[in-house]
Amino acid sequence: EPEVTQTPSHQVTQMGQEVILRCVPISNHLYFYWYRQILGQKVEFLVSFYNNEISEKSEIFDDQFSVERPDGSNFTLKIRSTKLEDSAMYFCASGSTGRVTGELFFGEGSRLTVL
Amino acid sequence: GNSVTQMEGPVTLSEEAFLTINCTYTATGYPSLFWYVQYPGEGLQLLLKATKADDKGSNKGFEATYRKETTSFHLEKGSVQVSDSAVYFCALGSQGNLIFGKGTKLSVKP
Repeated sequence: EPEVTQTPSHQVTQMGQEVILRCVPISNHLYFYWYRQILGQKVEFLVSFYNNEISEKSEIFDDQFSVERPDGSNFTLKIRSTKLEDSAMYFCASGSTGRVTGELFFGEGSRLTVL
Repeated sequence: GNSVTQMEGPVTLSEEAFLTINCTYTATGYPSLFWYVQYPGEGLQLLLKATKADDKGSNKGFEATYRKETTSFHLEKGSVQVSDSAVYFCALGSQGNLIFGKGTKLSVKP
């Protein structure tokens, strides 16, 4: 069964360092998303991406964050200069349609710990 | 704005007990409603959904009914199993993305 894969599963970094989280969405999907969950908090929407551009972003997704689909298979989330409060589980998701009546398929998540 | 409020956990039940996890929402318009489940060590998986008022979503013995009058989408299962132990997320779909509740951790003891 096709699945969304994410790497790394866990990354520990120092404050101020750049981090790239990688995702391989399901191959025929066109809509891609990043969500995050700070420990004990809600799963929060960060950004959606379609046709090689951001279609929507939340206020969490500030200038420190960027997304890219560099090679037609990977979908990356970059955090330029990490802060302590960026520590969270980051989930990638993909969907075959842009409507949320369709199913979003999520990866297992990448846990980021900023020290 | 849109939001989802979900029953706080953790919830611990014995096998074959009845499960209810409450979920209420605030939304403009007519959102779709979802329950996602996260088993230990895995990603979020869609459990069931309902796209309009009075729809009932069901899967794996779980059910939830979209109640517009009470703005609720409570998750129920008549007889839980140990394998149902997981974190359950209620979510609202609107304008191209999902808004999640905090999640409710369910532990089922044999």
